[in-house]
Amino acid sequence: AQKITQTQPGMFVQEKEAVTLDCTYDTSDPSYGLFWYKQPSSGEMIFLIYQGSYDQQNATEGRYSLNFQKARKSANLVISASQLGDSAMYFCAMRGPYFGNEKLTFGTGTRLTIIP
Amino acid sequence: DTGVSQNPRHKITKRGQNVTFRCDPISEHNRLYWYRQTLGQGPEFLTYFQNEAQLEKSRLLSDRFSAERPKGSFSTLEIQRTEQGDSAMYLCASSLVVGGEETQYFGPGTRLLVL
Repeated sequence: AQKITQTQPGMFVQEKEAVTLDCTYDTSDPSYGLFWYKQPSSGEMIFLIYQGSYDQQNATEGRYSLNFQKARKSANLVISASQLGDSAMYFCAMRGPYFGNEKLTFGTGTRLTIIP
Repeated sequence: DTGVSQNPRHKITKRGQNVTFRCDPISEHNRLYWYRQTLGQGPEFLTYFQNEAQLEKSRLLSDRFSAERPKGSFSTLEIQRTEQGDSAMYLCASSLVVGGEETQYFGPGTRLLVL
């Protein structure tokens, strides 16, 4: 069974600072995908970034980067130069293996609050 | 805007009533997923469709729940004889599978409150 663990229920970060949100995962499958989603108070889950288990380089998307450490089974999200609009819940999720387990398994989330 | 849309956005109902939610996926996406999210938790998978075929259902989907995607486009999720424990956010997502990889894009959700 797949499992996602997010150990930080809440974080407070000063505006313009970088922030790292932790995510560890557990799977016995060699092929899988890791995702981060942002959920503002409005409720919509917004896709941020994706990392495939066979990707050699860490994924980046604008201010978001994913620190993928396969041996440690961790997939931390790094947000550079945080902004007030980054305040939201952040969920780490996993899908895999390819062609075998299409649904996403989510962690419990981290509530990020950016302080002006 | 061509994102995933869900209607209604909010629904308040009395215990025992039936409710139906609709999801319109991103056009040309062949997969459609339903998730349920309760307060303080991440979304949990309910069921998914590839085109019009329902390929997997979670154990969370009791026999009071039924989902359809009749023409492989929009989908409906019906809950019969609602219970207070059904109160949650119901999220729909769609995706296009390419080479075994896919990214699910979510709609704004339907918040259900059962009184």
